[in-house]
Amino acid sequence: AQSVTQLGSHVSVSEGALVLLRCNYSSSVPPYLFWYVQYPNQGLQLLLKYTSAATLVKGINGFEAEFKKSETSFHLTKPSAHMSDAAEYFCAVSDWESDDMRFGAGTRLTVKP
Amino acid sequence: EAGVTQFPSHSVIEKGQTVTLRCDPISGHDNLYWYRRVMGKEIKFLLHFVKESKQDESGMPNNRFLAERTGGTYSTLKVQPAELEDSGVYFCASSQDLGAHSGANVLTFGAGSRLTVL
Repeated sequence: AQSVTQLGSHVSVSEGALVLLRCNYSSSVPPYLFWYVQYPNQGLQLLLKYTSAATLVKGINGFEAEFKKSETSFHLTKPSAHMSDAAEYFCAVSDWESDDMRFGAGTRLTVKP
Repeated sequence: EAGVTQFPSHSVIEKGQTVTLRCDPISGHDNLYWYRRVMGKEIKFLLHFVKESKQDESGMPNNRFLAERTGGTYSTLKVQPAELEDSGVYFCASSQDLGAHSGANVLTFGAGSRLTVL
């Protein structure tokens, strides 16, 4: 069965600092990996996805993530945090055999001025 | 293009009562999913419709939960009778049918229905 683990339920950074949100996956077949973001009172929005093409994936709002098979990781990064990045971020995994997605527990990002 | 719409946004009921949540997917999306997030934990898969058929309902917690998608358009999720542990946020998502190997589908989510059982 597929699963993802997000390390750290809360991450706090200062405005302008590097954002690093960690995600490790478990999958018996090559995975598809996703990062979604949820702003208050809104649905989850796709930030980026990895589907076996380039291992470094660029998404919206300056976020990117790198697929590392050897580490079974798909960490999300942004070089410089902005106040508007404060939200909850979810890593998710799927694969070619199934179009059902499994999510992590989420990481709440706080950006301090 | 209208997004995924869920109703109600918040429902407060007493233990033993019935609640029905509704989801209107994006028009033309054959795939419809229900997920639930309880107490800030992970978002858990409940079930998946392809048109009006249940493709996978392995995540449904017990027989107090009934999901329907008559006509393959909107879907309802009924909880009867509700228990305290059913409290949480219920998300609906939809996606296009890209064929058999569609694991790369991007899901479009609704804002969720928050259920509080007292």
